Amino acid sequence: SQQGEEDPQALSIQEGENATMNCSYKTSINNLQWYRQNSGRGLVHLILIRSNEREKHSGRLRVTLDTSKKSSSLLITASRAADTASYFCATSESGGGADGLTFGKGTHLIIQP
Amino acid sequence: DTAVSQTPKYLVTQMGNDKSIKCEQNLGHDTMYWYKQDSKKFLKIMFSYNNKELIINETVPNRFSPKSPDKAHLNLHINSLELGDSAVYFCASSSVIAGEQYFGPGTRLTVT
Repeated sequence: SQQGEEDPQALSIQEGENATMNCSYKTSINNLQWYRQNSGRGLVHLILIRSNEREKHSGRLRVTLDTSKKSSSLLITASRAADTASYFCATSESGGGADGLTFGKGTHLIIQP
Repeated sequence: DTAVSQTPKYLVTQMGNDKSIKCEQNLGHDTMYWYKQDSKKFLKIMFSYNNKELIINETVPNRFSPKSPDKAHLNLHINSLELGDSAVYFCASSSVIAGEQYFGPGTRLTVT
């Protein structure tokens, strides 16, 4: 069954603006991850946040996790045209690594130059 | 150097045929996975292999069988292909401890 639901499904903003995507999930998790997929390409890991963490930063990315609400958000600051892609959240229940990830439906982000 | 590679990139075949997709990782990871991405871009785990042992087998038809000759390879064999098998199949790998997964470029399978 589907675990994550991203919101919005599509987002179009101007270059330089910030982009925020949200993800909700249903079960308890060990960690939550965000991935980027460019059109016709594989997925690229962006950031992993563990269930005992509330916020994490990586370059222009900021991820928050609220386990009480079973939700996460991904903020991309100072967006660039190259950020145009689909973004997926994915949850891991065990965190031991041997379980597969459960993905959401994704947010398609378009950065207008 | 390619971390996770898949062959072929595109595969067009007819219903009823048997086909295989190969996956190799040079990251030294212990666990490999197969995911299916449908036409709506929804990704679903199919299998994972840890040290040659099947860890997960979701509700995937038994026409699909993963085969791992060694820790660096996890191939996907599909028997009696059906129209509904058309999708993009991704291989991935991870270190058991790390959790983050590294994905291959995908194989677009089209069944006609």
